Amino acid sequence: DAGITQSPRHKVTETGTPVTLRCHQTENHRYMYWYRQDPGHGLRLIHYSYGVKDTDKGEVSDGYSVSRSKTEDFLLTLESATSSQTSVYFCAISRGQGLPNTEAFFGQGTRLTVV
Amino acid sequence: GEDVEQSLFLSVREGDSSVINCTYTDSSSTYLYWYKQEPGAGLQLLTYIFSNMDMKQDQRLTVLLNKKDKHLSLRIADTQTGDSAIYFCAATSQGNTPLVFGKGTRLSVIA
Repeated sequence: DAGITQSPRHKVTETGTPVTLRCHQTENHRYMYWYRQDPGHGLRLIHYSYGVKDTDKGEVSDGYSVSRSKTEDFLLTLESATSSQTSVYFCAISRGQGLPNTEAFFGQGTRLTVV
Repeated sequence: GEDVEQSLFLSVREGDSSVINCTYTDSSSTYLYWYKQEPGAGLQLLTYIFSNMDMKQDQRLTVLLNKKDKHLSLRIADTQTGDSAIYFCAATSQGNTPLVFGKGTRLSVIA
């Protein structure tokens, strides 16, 4: 398995509180991604990073921010959690994009419940 | 941007073949992937195909690509109960873009 660790694995939080999810990799891959998975929607990209301090928005970035101060860590912050952000969050990493052998490897997911 | 569509459910009997279909919209998509997600787990890459190929076979898995119709299929031969999972189709085009995933097809295998 690719060396990806997501923490926490489960979290329950209250509406309006900030929440930070962490993704840590030991593969030294350049690209890191945050997706959310919801029934009926599949996987949707929130934000991604193409290097230290280099990030870009995905399809569903509103209400989320990210930071990448080290190659190995990619943090996802929900600035003020809402019930619509209850979801399973997946981190993924890849060596590149649109190139051979650049498939994405996924973490085990973080189940977040906002009450 | 790219849009990837899949049917949501498929049910087959153990030992039969399963065929999961996917369509995509961006004709410049270069690499197309199939991922498998088992309950409570992340996604694992099953196989991928380049846009310059029509077919790829890997043990029980056969991927067919029809570029004209922008249609991708995954055939699983001799489907087993352990194949029960959600299967995601994903595409990426040239120019370094993140993967775009379909909604996933839930495959149920009946013993």
